Amino acid sequence: EDQVTQSPEALRLQEGESSSLNCSYTVSGLRGLFWYRQDPGKGPEFLFTLYSAGEEKEKERLKATLTKKESFLHITAPKPEDSATYLCAVRANDMRFGAGTRLTVKP
Amino acid sequence: GAGVSQSPRYKVAKRGQDVALRCDPISGHVSLFWYQQALGQGPEFLTYFQNEAQLDKSGLPSDRFFAERPEGSVSTLKIQRTQQEDSAVYLCASSLASVTGSGNTIYFGEGSWLTVV
Repeated sequence: EDQVTQSPEALRLQEGESSSLNCSYTVSGLRGLFWYRQDPGKGPEFLFTLYSAGEEKEKERLKATLTKKESFLHITAPKPEDSATYLCAVRANDMRFGAGTRLTVKP
Repeated sequence: GAGVSQSPRYKVAKRGQDVALRCDPISGHVSLFWYQQALGQGPEFLTYFQNEAQLDKSGLPSDRFFAERPEGSVSTLKIQRTQQEDSAVYLCASSLASVTGSGNTIYFGEGSWLTVV
């Protein structure tokens, strides 16, 4: 059965303190690994898609990487506005999400 | 419209009442998805349409849940005889092409918040 596990469940950082979020997955026939950002009361907002091991994508302070078993979302020098829940999803026959990592960045 | 639009944004239903949640996908998007999101959890897949065909409804939790997309654009998720455990955010999403293709980013609406009292 396809599974997606995100860790940690919650992460508190000081502004400027870089860190990484983890997404471990088991899926047959991966057709893409997706990262989304979700703010309270909002729908998930698309960030990245990764398709193959070794692939990397960057956007502002965020960089996503992919191996055959996991993906990392690296946050460099985060700001308070980066506070949100970050969701990982894998696409095979459908789209299966992890429970998310709730990131809080303190000024 | 520019994005996926859902209505109502908030719905309070009495236990046993029927509710209907509407989704307007991005114009031209072939695929449409419904997800259920409980507080503090990731979205859980409910059902998937490609145009008007419902290709996967394996995530619908019971026969009280029903979804349709009769003309391949707007979709309605109907919940009959609502129960308290149905309280959640119902997210609609769409993508340009079919689920099996690559490069198919799924875009989400803001969700319909259902509270059953």
